[in-house]
Amino acid sequence: GAVVSQHPSWVICKSGTSVKIECRSLDFQATTMFWYRQFPKQSLMLMATSNEGSKATYEQGVEKDKFLINHASLTLSTLTVTSAHPEDSSFYICSATPPGQGIGYNSPLHFGNGTRLTVT
Amino acid sequence: AQSVTQLDSHVSVSEGTPVLLRCNYSSSYSPSLFWYVQHPNKGLQLLLKYTSAATLVKGINGFEAEFKKSETSFHLTKPSAHMSDAAEYFCVVSAPGRLVFGQGTRLTINP
Repeated sequence: GAVVSQHPSWVICKSGTSVKIECRSLDFQATTMFWYRQFPKQSLMLMATSNEGSKATYEQGVEKDKFLINHASLTLSTLTVTSAHPEDSSFYICSATPPGQGIGYNSPLHFGNGTRLTVT
Repeated sequence: AQSVTQLDSHVSVSEGTPVLLRCNYSSSYSPSLFWYVQHPNKGLQLLLKYTSAATLVKGINGFEAEFKKSETSFHLTKPSAHMSDAAEYFCVVSAPGRLVFGQGTRLTINP
């Protein structure tokens, strides 16, 4: 089945530094990937939709200059948290859907295992 | 607009007893509905999906869900809980170009 790989699984960084999280589709090409943020004991909140070869679409309230998304190839999207602060500490999850299955209507997304970010 | 409400934030059952996780949805058209499971510090795994075919949907690990349009519900059930079922469960409804997640239900299994 479709596999989405996310790296790293956890990262600790100092306040003010930047952190890059990678999301790869291992056995399919994904023109669209999604980035979610999950706070403890809460649901997933969509942050942005990453589109290969074009700019990402950010949800309302998400700072695009703070959460940089790059989707340079059909199998890789990256999320960079710039100038991280303790309030950015969270669980970040990416997802993607194999081509030809559509987005949203009747096609379940395949999720990475998430990245636990802790900013000290 | 599409939305989903999970009626219980936490459900606790004994091992071997039935599981019921409740979900109500709102959609302006015929929805696609999903249940996902998340184990601690992991991504989400698809349990089952409803896409306007049979209203009773069977998923992995013995779970199933029934789509009831009249009640706008999509409750998840399992006849006999296992310790490995302890996790967070999300009911999800489709929307144009995205999925809309419920708040999640934490399932605890008592030995």
